[in-house]
Amino acid sequence: EVQLVESGGGLIQPGGSLRLSCAASDFSVSNNYMSWVRQAPGKGLEWVSVIYAGGSTYYADSVKGRFTIYRDNSKNTVYLQMNSLRVQDTAVYYCARDARDSSGSLWHFDLWGRGTLVTVSS
Amino acid sequence: DIVVTQSPDSLAVSLGERVTINCKSSQSVVYSSNNKNYLAWYQQKPGQPPKLLMYWASTRESGVPDRFSGSGSGTDFTLTISSLQAEDVAVYHCQQYSSTRTFGQGTKVEIK
Repeated sequence: EVQLVESGGGLIQPGGSLRLSCAASDFSVSNNYMSWVRQAPGKGLEWVSVIYAGGSTYYADSVKGRFTIYRDNSKNTVYLQMNSLRVQDTAVYYCARDARDSSGSLWHFDLWGRGTLVTVSS
Repeated sequence: DIVVTQSPDSLAVSLGERVTINCKSSQSVVYSSNNKNYLAWYQQKPGQPPKLLMYWASTRESGVPDRFSGSGSGTDFTLTISSLQAEDVAVYHCQQYSSTRTFGQGTKVEIK
């Protein structure tokens, strides 16, 4: 079954670090554009970061310099390393895949994981 | 960054009635090279991740009931549910993907 499964969330103090994982099944993360999208409690969705099939990475201004997205092709997993965490980073973090066709990414998300909750609090 | 604003924030509609949700972007999301509107709609039911409903503003994702339709171009878009069903209770999000990716704040749809 094609799916994404996130893990690694939890309770962390401000200033701390956490690494989220997104394990993919039945497709290769190395051939797809993979993003992290977060949703603070009771709020809307916020795109966080993307890694392109070619390896380029991009970040929202709110996390630039603090978060790093990368992947391990052998484990078919995408990661989000989160450093210098702030209270406002508290959210459910979703992993999402860009839809694609033969020419490449179609830029909208066709597959989402169920998310992992990150709570930043003292 | 392109700002995306949805209206209303929430609405309550009787079963079988029509639902209209608006989405407005601060800049045009039409990509000049292919004349496509880089706008998608997602449905998020309580406790679930978002699910893709529409893309290119008006193309229905496979398996989405035809009571859902999308329209609009440039900066103004609409998601319409022609006849609200109980299973349509959800938050609906629009997203532009012409410049990075930004979402609207979401619109909550409930049964009256």
